[in-house]
Amino acid sequence: ELKVEQNPLFLSMQEGKNYTIYCNYSTTSDRLYWYRQDPGKSLESLFVLLSNGAVKQEGRLMASLDTKARLSTLHITAAVHDLSATYFCAVVTNTGNQFYFGTGTSLTVIP
Amino acid sequence: EPEVTQTPSHQVTQMGQEVILRCVPISNHLYFYWYRQILGQKVEFLVSFYNNEISEKSEIFDDQFSVERPDGSNFTLKIRSTKLEDSAMYFCASSAQRYEAFFGQGTRLTVV
Repeated sequence: ELKVEQNPLFLSMQEGKNYTIYCNYSTTSDRLYWYRQDPGKSLESLFVLLSNGAVKQEGRLMASLDTKARLSTLHITAAVHDLSATYFCAVVTNTGNQFYFGTGTSLTVIP
Repeated sequence: EPEVTQTPSHQVTQMGQEVILRCVPISNHLYFYWYRQILGQKVEFLVSFYNNEISEKSEIFDDQFSVERPDGSNFTLKIRSTKLEDSAMYFCASSAQRYEAFFGQGTRLTVV
């Protein structure tokens, strides 16, 4: 079974600081997704990365994909409190269509 | 903007009862999914549905679960005889292509 691991699981950071969340996966895939989830809410799509070397940016978040290393990163620049949420990466295999979700990273931005 | 809608938002049921969770996917979408998330844990795939049949299912999706697209717009998940461990948030998702998914707001199922 495809394994998707994120680290860290919990992240507490001060406003204004930068940090990176890592997502490793165990099988060949060139489709990776990042979602944000607020407590008790649904999954909000942040980024869809569909090829090796893909980089996407939206506001203070930037996501990248290295399919050879089976690694994606979500970089947070100058964090603000509104970014506090749980972030999930998800991978779809090249042959299937189900999403395999990572364990999630619970981010708390402290003023 | 079109969205996936799920009803009810919260369902409480007694152990052993049957429940049906309902979803209205985005109208031109062809692929439909159910996922669940036990409180505080990761999101887990249950089943995908395409062309009026199940295309993939996980080990979680055993004989107590079934899915249906009864009328061309709704997509339902039935749990025949609920157990305490079925308590979770259930998300429906739909997509027009294989490599995307738009998630509904979820149904929180509490089995007592």
